[in-house]
Amino acid sequence: GQQVMQIPQYQHVQEGEDFTTYCNSSTTLSNIQWYKQRPGGHPVFLIQLVKSGEVKKQKRLTFQFGEAKKNSSLHITATQTTDVGTYFCASSWGSNYQLIWGAGTKLIIKP
Amino acid sequence: DSGVTQTPKHLITATGQRVTLRCSPRSGDLSVYWYQQSLDQGLQFLIQYYNGEERAKGNILERFSAQQFPDLHSELNLSSLELGDSALYFCASSPSGPHEKLFFGSGTQLSVL
Repeated sequence: GQQVMQIPQYQHVQEGEDFTTYCNSSTTLSNIQWYKQRPGGHPVFLIQLVKSGEVKKQKRLTFQFGEAKKNSSLHITATQTTDVGTYFCASSWGSNYQLIWGAGTKLIIKP
Repeated sequence: DSGVTQTPKHLITATGQRVTLRCSPRSGDLSVYWYQQSLDQGLQFLIQYYNGEERAKGNILERFSAQQFPDLHSELNLSSLELGDSALYFCASSPSGPHEKLFFGSGTQLSVL
């Protein structure tokens, strides 16, 4: 079946350092969505990318969709404690109604 | 506030029992999705309904069933509960399909003792 591989599983950073999570697929994706789940919370939609090579920014967050639409990344510049949580990517293929989720990357700020 | 309402927030029950989780989607949303999230794990898709009809099915156990009613609220029924069913169950909604962003409820934390 379709899969989206997301790495790393965890990333420990010092506050102020950058953070990146990657999602990869062996097949072309229709789109990719990114969600953030704070500890004890529910997933919250961040952004959707649709076009090949698309880059979108939200303040310190930069989202990219690969040229071949098989990979995507989320980069956070100068992490803050409010960035703590798990970041998930999710995607669908063609007319497939099922949204396939990555395993998530947990961002942990070192004390 | 996402606009998606889930009840109850917490549920404690014993093995072998049956429970019903309820979800009210955002006003106007026709699609409802159910997800299971075990402790510190990812989101496991269970099932999706669109305007009262089942549209997609994930790794949902035969002991689990769901439905979406004419008023678009949905219920997830879990029966013959096992310890391993303890998890956070999320409901999400979207206007029509998964090509749109999903709005998640706050979840129901199920503990099976």
